[in-house]
This record gives sequence, C-alpha cells and structure tokens, in this order.
Amino acid sequence: DGGITQSPKYLFRKEGQNVTLSCEQNLNHDAMYWYRQDPGQGLRLIYYSQIVNDFQKGDIAEGYSVSREKKESFPLTVTSAQKNPTAFYLCASSGPGQGPTNEKLFFGSGTQLSVL
Amino acid sequence: QQQVKQSPQSLIVQKGGISIINCAYENTAFDYFPWYQQFPGKGPALLIAIRPDVSEKKEGRFTISFNKSAKQFSLHIMDSQPGDSATYFCAARTGSNYKLTFGKGTLLTVNP
Repeated sequence: DGGITQSPKYLFRKEGQNVTLSCEQNLNHDAMYWYRQDPGQGLRLIYYSQIVNDFQKGDIAEGYSVSREKKESFPLTVTSAQKNPTAFYLCASSGPGQGPTNEKLFFGSGTQLSVL
Repeated sequence: QQQVKQSPQSLIVQKGGISIINCAYENTAFDYFPWYQQFPGKGPALLIAIRPDVSEKKEGRFTISFNKSAKQFSLHIMDSQPGDSATYFCAARTGSNYKLTFGKGTLLTVNP
C-alpha cells in the first residue's frame, strides 16, 4: 500500500529530553511537511521540505529540527527548547500529479506526543 | 495573524439535514481553497477543493461555494449522515509556495 507511515503512534517525553518522530513515505513525493495540531487550533506548519537536503521553517519552527537526507524520510526532532511539546504531530507529503503546484496533501495517521 | 477564519467551532445537525461551515480569508493572493476531513486519531484527508475562477464546485453531497468579492467560501454537506461526523478544516494557499494555511476546524456531529 502506498502511503505515509508515522511512528510511534504515542510518545512520551521527559523534561530536558529530545525526541524524534519518524515519517516515511513511499509515494515518491518530492515535498514533505510537519504540522502540529492542538485542540481548537487547527494545523500549524512547523517545517517543510521541497526537495532532498533542503528544508524551510514554517510558522512555528522554534524548538524543532528536521533533516531530509532521503526522499522517503523526513524525521522531526522535538528538542528540549520546545517548552510546550504536548500535541498531535502530523506528517504530510505532496508530489507530481497532484495539481500544477502539487497542492494535494497526503497525511499520515499522526503521533501523539505527551510530556511526563 | 490568522489568515483563514473558520466558523462555527462546532455544529450539530440531524441526519438528513444540511451542514454549512464557513471560512473567510484576508490574503487576496490565495488561489487554491481545499477542505479537509479528519476522523478522530487519524490524519486529515482532502475532501474537495476549489479555485477562485469558479463560484461553486460539487462532488456528491459536498459543495463548495466561493465568493471572491467577499473573500469567503463555505462547505455545504447535503443529506448529512452520522458517518459525516468529523472535524472539517478549510485551508488556503498561493500558487507560489508549498504552504497551506488552515482554519481552526469545525467539529461536526450528525445525530441519527
């Protein structure tokens, strides 16, 4: 099945700890995204990458870091600098054939991060 | 600055009724307006989308109405079903970048 796989589904972070959320896609999409979802707040863009080895900050990048070493993978690290990390994290991708500017986003099933 | 304002926050409709969710935007450079549907514990999925060169787009029971002069667009769900119960997000994007700006979402409950 083609799609986006996020792992783990649930993750717990201790004070001062960095944690990494995994996102893998087998859709051969060029662009990948990380969104944060808080109740009643919609989806806010953390980072996005249009191509391998390149990524840009979104609207709420502080306290997060990413890498894009492979087309299929776009891991997100929540660092200890992120003081309010509890949220539902969604990874998405878009690629050729989804519109003139690759508009349609395909989302994973998300990772719920909580602070211990 | 919230660029896409969505209302209402929550909506309860009886089975067979019409559900209407509204969005307003400020950035006149937006040229693509999708609606996403999200079930609990899942990621959002594209439901229907419209470009500003048309005033209405219909797919099955779902219709987007678009008013360019008022900078507003809305989702209408006809003959609402309990299976439509979900959170709905409007969004907007310009053609020059890869960033979708989302509204805050509407929790729709359709009672049987």
